[in-house]
Parts: sequence; C-alpha cells; structure tokens
Amino acid sequence: DAGVTQSPTHLIKTRGQQVTLRCSPKSGHDTVSWYQQALGQGPQFIFQYYEEEERQRGNFPDRFSGHQFPNYSSELNVNALLLGDSALYLCASTPGTENTEAFFGQGTRLTVV
Amino acid sequence: KQEVTQIPAALSVPEGENLVLNCSFTDSAIYNLQWFRQDPGKGLTSLLLIQSSQREQTSGRLNASLDKSSGRSTLYIAASQPGDSATYLCASEVASGTYKYIFGTGTRLKVLA
Repeated sequence: DAGVTQSPTHLIKTRGQQVTLRCSPKSGHDTVSWYQQALGQGPQFIFQYYEEEERQRGNFPDRFSGHQFPNYSSELNVNALLLGDSALYLCASTPGTENTEAFFGQGTRLTVV
Repeated sequence: KQEVTQIPAALSVPEGENLVLNCSFTDSAIYNLQWFRQDPGKGLTSLLLIQSSQREQTSGRLNASLDKSSGRSTLYIAASQPGDSATYLCASEVASGTYKYIFGTGTRLKVLA
C-alpha cells in the first residue's frame, strides 16, 4: 500500500502565476481533504472532496479551487499566487466522510517568489 | 468555533526522560482526537487515534489520553530517545458541515543524546 502520495514535492512559482498540486489517496479511501500549513503553524483546512464534489470549504478565497476524479485522486489549484500562499500543502484521505482516522501525504512545499 | 492549543510550544529534554505533551480544545463535541508527528519539512505521521468513546490509546512507548469533559488530551512518551525529536501535533475532528480536523500549532521536541 503506497499510502497517500502527493506531487510534486517542491515547487517554486512567481507571484501571479497559477499552480496545480496533485494527490492520490490511500487505497480504499474515497475522500480527500486539503490543508495548508504555514511555517510554524498547524495545518488549516482548505476543503474536502467526496464523490467528485466539494463538501465544505474552510476560510480560503476562491483563488483556491479543487477537483476530484472518478479514481478518487484530487487536484488543488491556486490562481493569482501571492507571497502569502507559500506553505506546505497537505492532502489527507479517509474512507468516507464519517469520523475516521485520517492519513496524510508528505506534502508539497510551495514557494512563491 | 473549535480552537486547539498545545503547551509547551517547545521542549528540550535529555535522553531517557519521560515526558508529557499537552493539548486542549474548546469544544468538547469532538469525534476523534489524533496525535501526529511531523519531521522538519515533512508530512504528518499518525501516532495515535482516540475515538470519542475511548479514554486512552497506547502504542509502544506512546500513550495518549482523552478527557472530553475537561477538553484535554495528553501524549505521554516514555524513555525518550533522540529519534523522537520532531514536532508533535494534536488535532480534534469536528463535524461542521463535514468531518474535518482542527490542529494545534504543535510542540517542538528535542531529545538530547
């Protein structure tokens, strides 16, 4: 079992650009949640995808959008990048949306310059 | 709104010491309490999950307890080793629209050889 995999591991972008991050959930998991972790902070919930639909969004602007594919993998898109978007982006997967243990990937480190 | 606080923010101990990390949360209506380990620049590794109906969980040298009524959880690490050096995060799972995790800012632990 490969667990939760994210790509790429590191990314450097320029302000104003757009970025796409990818996540493959753990085998058997159909729900993907995205979190942003700024340096020295705990992860903050961005949104969750289940059955290819966004279930809920945290306190993040519309520049942050996502998608879930039929194979349960997911993408996080961020448009019009700001310096403040520099962070570690974490993907978590669970088997369903009910309360259960979350498994996290290794994250994508995004640096905006 | 759920808030999670971890004390202390940083801790440095000599090898072999037993130690306790503290986590408090403001809303006792949680579903799970999960402890994670995070190495610098890396993703989250799940250590222990305590479901709301449980009082504690143990794995090797780790023991986590949960007291929902007082809004507290503790992670006990026995006989600490230099390899335990990492940031430890606690997260409470809440149902607000969907199930999601609210994280503390973590305790940075350094175990000195």
